[in-house]
Formats: sequence, C-alpha cells, structure tokens
Amino acid sequence: ENVLTQSPATLSLSPGDRATLSCRASQMVSSFYLAWYQQKPGQAPRLLIYGASNRATGIPDRFSGSGSGTDFTLTISRLEPEDFAVYYCQQYGSSPRTFGQGTKVEI
Amino acid sequence: EVQLSESGGGLVQPGGSLRLSCTASGFTFSSYVMSWVRQAPGKGLEWVAGFSSRGNYTSYADSVKGRFTISRDNSKNTLYLQMNTLRADDTAVYYCAKGMINTYYFDNWGQGTLVTVSS
Repeated sequence: ENVLTQSPATLSLSPGDRATLSCRASQMVSSFYLAWYQQKPGQAPRLLIYGASNRATGIPDRFSGSGSGTDFTLTISRLEPEDFAVYYCQQYGSSPRTFGQGTKVEI
Repeated sequence: EVQLSESGGGLVQPGGSLRLSCTASGFTFSSYVMSWVRQAPGKGLEWVAGFSSRGNYTSYADSVKGRFTISRDNSKNTLYLQMNTLRADDTAVYYCAKGMINTYYFDNWGQGTLVTVSS
C-alpha cells in the first residue's frame, strides 16, 4: 500500500497569504497519478487538481499543483476567505487507492 | 448536471449487514469508474472500494476485503456496496464518487450516507 503523508497537519495563515501544502508518498506514484481535494465542514470533497498539476474544471488559477515521484505540493498563491478548509492528496496509480490524512488550513 | 444520491445508511449492530445504494444521473454511468469512499467522524478520507468501467474489475481496501462487496447495475445507473460483518470502526459517512473513464480520481461526489455500527 502506498502511504501518503501530508504536512503540516495544520497551517495557520491569513487571507492574502501563500499556502504551501506537502504530500509525500512511501512509494513512487506512477504517471503523476496524484490528485488534490478540498473539503469544508459538512460538505463532500471537491476535486482541485489531478495528474499532479492539472486544475479541475472551474478551479481558480490561484490553486496549483506540482511534483513527481514521491513528493508533491499544492500551492494556493493568495488565500481567499473561502479557501480555509481541509485539503487531501490522493494517489490513484496503484491499488489500493489511498488518501493522505489531510492538512487543515485555518485562519 | 452530474448527480449522485446515496441511500441505505443507518444504525446496525456489530456483526450485522447493510447495503448502500448510489443512484447516478447526468452522465453515461456505464462508461465511468465508480468508488465508495468513507470518512469516520472527525477523521480523514478512506477509499473503500472501486468498480472499473470496463471488464467488471473490482478492488478493495485491505480493511474491508472479504467483508464488503461493490457492484453496479448499469441498466439502473446504480452503484451498490454490500457490507457484512460490520464492526464499530466501519462507522462513517460513506460517499459515492464518480471517477473518470479508466482512472480513479473523483470529479463528482454524493452528499454521503451515515452508517453507525453500535449495540
């Protein structure tokens, strides 16, 4: 099983700040098969990034993904009030598909 | 518009069984990978099971293998999760998630159905 470890667990920032979230895999993630999701309290997750760096439909360009192999990053260039949420990475290159434990971005 | 609607959750005793359903609309259901993802109270996301769009391939998390069975009825646009020998640590909100044509990242999610395993 490919274990994903996200850091930090919590990120305390202010609107307008830059957020950098890390996701490290225990094994190589094949073919850049890494996705990022945003989840707000009481809501289902929302897809932000797939293929490590491709924004999903309707996702603002302040969200960007990068990385390869075992190290991946989600960057939010300028935090908007609606961006304060929990973010999860997910690998889908091997079964079982796995999620990281999440990073909470808080004010 | 893609819509996914889960049903079948509820309270069940340890060792019991439950079947979840997910009714889909707004896309060609048979063409897409589908999965179940769960979230225990206050915890993170856990992928549970997946069903391919081609070849009837199924896959499972180790934590549910041998106890849960995923299936789909393309004529009814419905995904199922049969859960047997339920344990307290299966308590979670269960989400139905739509994947892509041949890949397991999820661009649409249902609102979830709560399963509580308790005596």
